[in-house]
Amino acid sequence: DTEVTQTPKHLVMGMTNKKSLKCEQHMGHRAMYWYKQKAKKPPELMFVYSYEKLSINESVPSRFSPECPNSSLLNLHLHALQPEDSALYLCASSQGLKDRANRSGANVLTFGAGSRLTVL
Amino acid sequence: SQQGEEDPQALSIQEGENATMNCSYKTSINNLQWYRQNSGRGLVHLILIRSNEREKHSGRLRVTLDTSKKSSSLLITASRAADTASYFCATNHNFNKFYFGSGTKLNVKP
Repeated sequence: DTEVTQTPKHLVMGMTNKKSLKCEQHMGHRAMYWYKQKAKKPPELMFVYSYEKLSINESVPSRFSPECPNSSLLNLHLHALQPEDSALYLCASSQGLKDRANRSGANVLTFGAGSRLTVL
Repeated sequence: SQQGEEDPQALSIQEGENATMNCSYKTSINNLQWYRQNSGRGLVHLILIRSNEREKHSGRLRVTLDTSKKSSSLLITASRAADTASYFCATNHNFNKFYFGSGTKLNVKP
């Protein structure tokens, strides 16, 4: 299995709603990522989990709350979002090997198809 | 963008022509990668070049890296209509940190 699966594909929510985006991979990757992409812009890094621990938070507002229940799953909990948070949310994974001896290997991102979020 | 810029922002060519896009970045890197994105979908990895390499080939793709200028270029030879997509460079830092350039939107006309 060489896929990253994201659900839902589309989500419309109000500013007072609580919703979650989900991401799953079964490639044995140990690093998982959330990126946000606005129209005609590049993906912006939000969070990185390495071995199920949050290793990078790019100063993301607390209305976005990531969770990594296990090595295959990554969630992004959404609460009290603003209309400007509407975007394509991309999940990715990579081998994320900790062993320095293996770092000469390629650490590349495998992306899901994304969840398109609209906040009304 | 979080890391750097790409140029041109948009490129329109005829099938069979070559397409070249450039990427500049700001800080030191482990490697630089190029990704492709079809109309608002997920990105697909194309090619990786390490910081100690200067040139890499993969099929119709050729990538160069100049760390002294903090720049890279991607050349797609003999382009096809199916190459129409957005192309992003991504710099890899501290192994698990990836930042994307601003992207080049390529249109290959049949």
